[in-house]
Amino acid sequence: ETGVTQTPRHLVMGMTNKKSLKCEQHLGHNAMYWYKQSAKKPLELMFVYNFKEQTENNSVPSRFSPECPNSSHLFLHLHTLQPEDSALYLCASSHGERDANTGELFFGEGSRLTVL
Amino acid sequence: RKEVEQDPGPFNVPEGATVAFNCTYSNSASQSFFWYRQDCRKEPKLLMSVYSSGNEDGRFTAQLNRASQYISLLIRDSKLSDSATYLCVVNSRPSGYSTLTFGKGTMLLVSP
Repeated sequence: ETGVTQTPRHLVMGMTNKKSLKCEQHLGHNAMYWYKQSAKKPLELMFVYNFKEQTENNSVPSRFSPECPNSSHLFLHLHTLQPEDSALYLCASSHGERDANTGELFFGEGSRLTVL
Repeated sequence: RKEVEQDPGPFNVPEGATVAFNCTYSNSASQSFFWYRQDCRKEPKLLMSVYSSGNEDGRFTAQLNRASQYISLLIRDSKLSDSATYLCVVNSRPSGYSTLTFGKGTMLLVSP
């Protein structure tokens, strides 16, 4: 059982659709992350929020729009995606305090996105 | 140059075998180092941290050579349940939240 829950687990959307991925963590962490995992590629960091503030945006196209209303919830809003955006989108959380960097991220099971 | 480079495998070994994975990283300012494990169609999970002095956790031994920017993982007495993809990971931040860079992973298949 994971302390990080992602919904939906699977999503199929057209290029003109608008959809959102949701992530919730129950671990009391302050940092939350979106990663993209494509076939034959390493996990790619997309965004980091620490204490609800966006601290990293890894040159992600604007068709991906993150939202972090509080330290427990993270969204990824999707709009006019391309077929090459099809991938597994993984949410993760960790401690974000200055002295708490253990390098351990706790991942959700991912949302598998297919763009037609 | 790839930031974290690993042999993708697969490594096919029989139960009880010893197997070693290697990894190199390009960012000399990397702060901390890890091995994560990812089972098929599951999320990555931390296996162990890697320290310069070398460290062991049961059947798993990790080593770091900062001068060569090289990380290794040794698995002794392989079990069927060790079959997974092993991800070499480096962290570029010394404190606060992590910015982890992942390798593509090395697949291990342990057979009876």
